[in-house]
This record gives sequence, structure tokens and C-alpha cells, in this order.
Amino acid sequence: AQTVTQSQPEMSVQEAETVTLSCTYDTSESDYYLFWYKQPPSRQMILVIRQEAYKQQNATENRFSVNFQKAAKSFSLKISDSQLGDAAMYFCAYRAGSSNTGKLIFGQGTTLQVKP
Amino acid sequence: GAVVSQHPSWVICKSGTSVKIECRSLDFQATTMFWYRQFPKQSLMLMATSNEGSKATYEQGVEKDKFLINHASLTLSTLTVTSAHPEDSSFYICSASPTSGVRGETQYFGPGTRLLVL
Repeated sequence: AQTVTQSQPEMSVQEAETVTLSCTYDTSESDYYLFWYKQPPSRQMILVIRQEAYKQQNATENRFSVNFQKAAKSFSLKISDSQLGDAAMYFCAYRAGSSNTGKLIFGQGTTLQVKP
Repeated sequence: GAVVSQHPSWVICKSGTSVKIECRSLDFQATTMFWYRQFPKQSLMLMATSNEGSKATYEQGVEKDKFLINHASLTLSTLTVTSAHPEDSSFYICSASPTSGVRGETQYFGPGTRLLVL
């Protein structure tokens, strides 16, 4: 069975600094997607970034980028120039296959605190 | 962008009563919707996958007679918590996958419903 592990329950970063959140996963599939979601205090889930397993190039979305190490089954999220609004719970998620009807498997989450 | 709504956003009920939560995709059709449960500071736990016009697929350990799911149209899925008890108090989140989804598209999440059973 596929699993997703986030080993950092809590992280903190100084405003304007860079922080990296870790995620590892386990799968025997070759076609899959990985996602990072942000859940702020409002509890609305927000997609931060996605990575297709077939693509070697790491995905980037403005201040957010990933380090996708397929062989190591690692998918970390780097947040650059951290802002107070980045404070939230972050979830790493895995989905087998390319269909958007596949279910997401979430990690345990990492609570990110941003210090002014 | 794709918007998913949930109603109600907050509900308090007495033990033994039933509560219905609605999940609507406002600007797209969704053949598949998902229902999650989340406890404070914990991850989302998938309860069931809802497919329009067919029976929902429940995850292991989720009581199908307790959590009734109906997906009667391409824009509406409902979760009914029957004979609710205090242990059912939780945050319930739905998500929807666009029927016309493209490769790599993900689910869109509703804002969640907070249920408190007294």
C-alpha cells in the first residue's frame, strides 16, 4: 500500500528566510503525482504545488519549489522569502495515476510557524 | 477557478439526531467527490469516494450505515451522519474532481463543516 510520511510535526522560520519541509513516500507505481497542500487557520485546503513522477524537472510556483528525488522517494517543499501568511499546516499528498478521480493519500502534516 | 461549497459550515446537534452535509461544485461538474474527516491538528482521513449515480466506496473501518453518502447529481453530494454521537464530532471536508479533468488536475476542496454533537 502507498504511504506518505512527514517526519516534522512542527517547523518554524524567520520571516524572509527559507525553510524546507520534508516528505517521503512509498509506492510501487511508476505513474503518480505528488502534491503539497496548505491548510491555514481557516482550514480551507489550498494547492501549493504539484509534481508529475515522469517529469525530472522540479516544479516551481513563485516562492515555492520542490526537490523531487524519485529514486529516494523524497518530495520536499522549499519556501523562500517566508511571509507571515505562509503560516499554516502543510500536507504532502500522493495520488496514483494521472486521473483526477484517484484518491489522495496524505501525510501527517507539518505545522509551519513564521516568526516576524 | 473551480469552487466547491459546503453547507452548513457549522452545525450543533443533539445526540441521536441525524445531520446532513451538502457538498456542491459551483462552476463545474464532478462525477467523483470525496469525503474526509479531520480531527484537530491531524491529517485528513478519507472516509469514502462518491460517484454520481452509483454507490459510494467506503474506506476500511468507516461504517456505511452510519455515514450515508448520496451523489445524486454531477454537482451535489451529501453526507448524512445518522444517529450522531459525541464521538462523531469532527471537521468534515469534501472535495470534487472535475468530470472534464485534464491530466494532472487535482481535487478541489470545500471549506469544511464543523460538527459538534452534544
